Amino acid sequence: NAGVTQTPKFQVLKTGQSMTLQCAQDMNHNSMYWYRQDPGMGLRLIYYSASEGTTDKGEVPNGYNVSRLNKREFSLRLESAAPSQTSVYFCASSASGTSYFYYEQYFGPGTRLTVT
Amino acid sequence: RKEVEQDPGPFNVPEGATVAFNCTYSNSASQSFFWYRQDCRKEPKLLMSVYSSGNEDGRFTAQLNRASQYISLLIRDSKLSDSATYLCAVNIDNAGNMLTFGGGTRLMVKP
Repeated sequence: NAGVTQTPKFQVLKTGQSMTLQCAQDMNHNSMYWYRQDPGMGLRLIYYSASEGTTDKGEVPNGYNVSRLNKREFSLRLESAAPSQTSVYFCASSASGTSYFYYEQYFGPGTRLTVT
Repeated sequence: RKEVEQDPGPFNVPEGATVAFNCTYSNSASQSFFWYRQDCRKEPKLLMSVYSSGNEDGRFTAQLNRASQYISLLIRDSKLSDSATYLCAVNIDNAGNMLTFGGGTRLMVKP
């Protein structure tokens, strides 16, 4: 099992350009997440998808859109990149549902994005 | 007050030492707690879940103190390879779908 995979690993964009970050998991997990990690800010949730067909905003959704393409794939789109979106982006997945017990999240290797 | 707080460190300890980190959380209704390890320029990797009764995995022990709203991670007999940043994570919603991460505590184990 590959676990959680992300593409691309690195990307440089100019301000105003758009791009889509791809994420896929092969663990048959219901829930998927997108985070960004900035120095001194820790991991912050951008969007998540509790199950196929649903998406919800996290802490910092502005400037992003997401698509839960199917159970395996969850993409993050930057429509008009800004320098403030320079960050490391991590995708994660978990076997979450609606029950109230422990939900361990597993992370992909990340995408390092620079917006100039 | 941040929802999940950690001392950023760094904690500099010699090999073989015992070191402990705490992580405080603000939501008394939180039910799910985790410790992650993150190496430089890598993704966070799940180290251990934290159960109500506490749990141990080799040299690592995690504990939960609900009354004071913190979790702890104890590392015994530190190895050079334990050098990393340790992140705590706490669920903030009733369904457990959303985790809030602390900023991480950096550990450096010296020979």
